[in-house]
Amino acid sequence: QQPVQSPQAVILREGEDAVINCSSSKALYSVHWYRQKHGEAPVFLMILLKGGEQKGHEKISASFNEKKQQSSLYLTASQLSYSGTYFCAVNNNAGNMLTFGGGTRLMVKP
Amino acid sequence: DSGVTQTPKHLITATGQRVTLRCSPRSGDLSVYWYQQSLDQGLQFLIQYYNGEERAKGNILERFSAQQFPDLHSELNLSSLELGDSALYFCASSVAGTWRETQYFGPGTRLLVL
Repeated sequence: QQPVQSPQAVILREGEDAVINCSSSKALYSVHWYRQKHGEAPVFLMILLKGGEQKGHEKISASFNEKKQQSSLYLTASQLSYSGTYFCAVNNNAGNMLTFGGGTRLMVKP
Repeated sequence: DSGVTQTPKHLITATGQRVTLRCSPRSGDLSVYWYQQSLDQGLQFLIQYYNGEERAKGNILERFSAQQFPDLHSELNLSSLELGDSALYFCASSVAGTWRETQYFGPGTRLLVL
């Protein structure tokens, strides 16, 4: 079952902050965050693992609440280059399959 | 650049035809994943291989098949193509293919079925 992302779209001015949420109906083993620009490949941002380990982009932070089965991505002091669609992808068991959310479109304006 | 390569970049074909998409993983990665991205379905996992063996299967149609070769490159074969198969097809790779790892995506192959 696909994780639910919110909001579906957000418009920011440069320098503003944003939070993107990802919620799963099943237990989470790992949450992966990607950014995709139109027609391009998804680019890895963060991975958060059951148990608390996380790795990723130094200018982007994220949280992972295992109990609530949720993750949030925090974008601070946004830059024009942050524009794109953000996807969370979850692993709901110890298998290898990632299930992607529907995406959050982020636009940063000057 | 993720280090994952995919060819061709674009493919235009007709309904009923068969095509092969190719993927080379990052150096050192043993696992390859295939995803389909269409406007109405989003990014969907199709299939995963690890060191030549199929490891996980998602929503892959019976008309589609894949394999991973001894040099670790992978091919996705799409046959009896329908208009609805038009999509971006991505390959991703990871070191050992576990849930603890990052998957790095290739640039994709854009397939248009006319």
